[in-house]
Amino acid sequence: QVQLVESGGGVVQPGRSLRLSCAASGFTFSTYGMHWVRQAPGKGLEWVAVIWSDGSKTYYADSVKGRFTISRDNSKDTLYLQMNSLRAEDTAVYYCARTSVSGSSYFDCWGQGALVTVSS
Amino acid sequence: DIVMTQSPDSLAVSLGERATINCKSSQSVLYSSNNKNYLAWYQQKPGQPPKLLIYWASTRESGVPDRFSGGGSGTDFTLTISSLQAEDVAVYYCHQYYSTPYTFGQGTKLEIK
Repeated sequence: QVQLVESGGGVVQPGRSLRLSCAASGFTFSTYGMHWVRQAPGKGLEWVAVIWSDGSKTYYADSVKGRFTISRDNSKDTLYLQMNSLRAEDTAVYYCARTSVSGSSYFDCWGQGALVTVSS
Repeated sequence: DIVMTQSPDSLAVSLGERATINCKSSQSVLYSSNNKNYLAWYQQKPGQPPKLLIYWASTRESGVPDRFSGGGSGTDFTLTISSLQAEDVAVYYCHQYYSTPYTFGQGTKLEIK
């Protein structure tokens, strides 16, 4: 079955870096665009970034532009989010999500999420 | 950026009754070349990731009960649960995928009255 499993979350001090991973299985990873979406504790959903299936294009929310980098390794069926210069307001559960089968950016599969806490 | 505004923020409905959630976008999400509304709805239960319910504003995802329906076009959309079941207690989000940055509504918390 289609599965996305995030890892790499944890507690990090402000200004430091962290890298999240999302391991995909059950589908042909290299043919799907992929996203990161986050949710601060008790808050709503915020889209973070997208990467095209071949990695040729990426787009970011203004709140993370210049600090976060989305990337993928299609040989390993894995999506990444490199987070630098972390701030308290980046504290959230980070979900990886798959672009739909149609290719349009609604999300038909989500991981269980990885909690990132930015605190001194 | 397209701002998505849901109403109400919370809603209490009796079992078996109809629940309606509204979503308004700050600009149209109807793409004229294919006449499709780039609007989706998700359901999120506590401690779980969101689950896709509806896409293209009115197309039900496979496996979603037919008591869930989506409607609307352009800037105004609705999610309707025709007969509320106990398992429908959740937070519901609308989402526009017309343009980046993709944006969500603030969520509507649905409870049993």
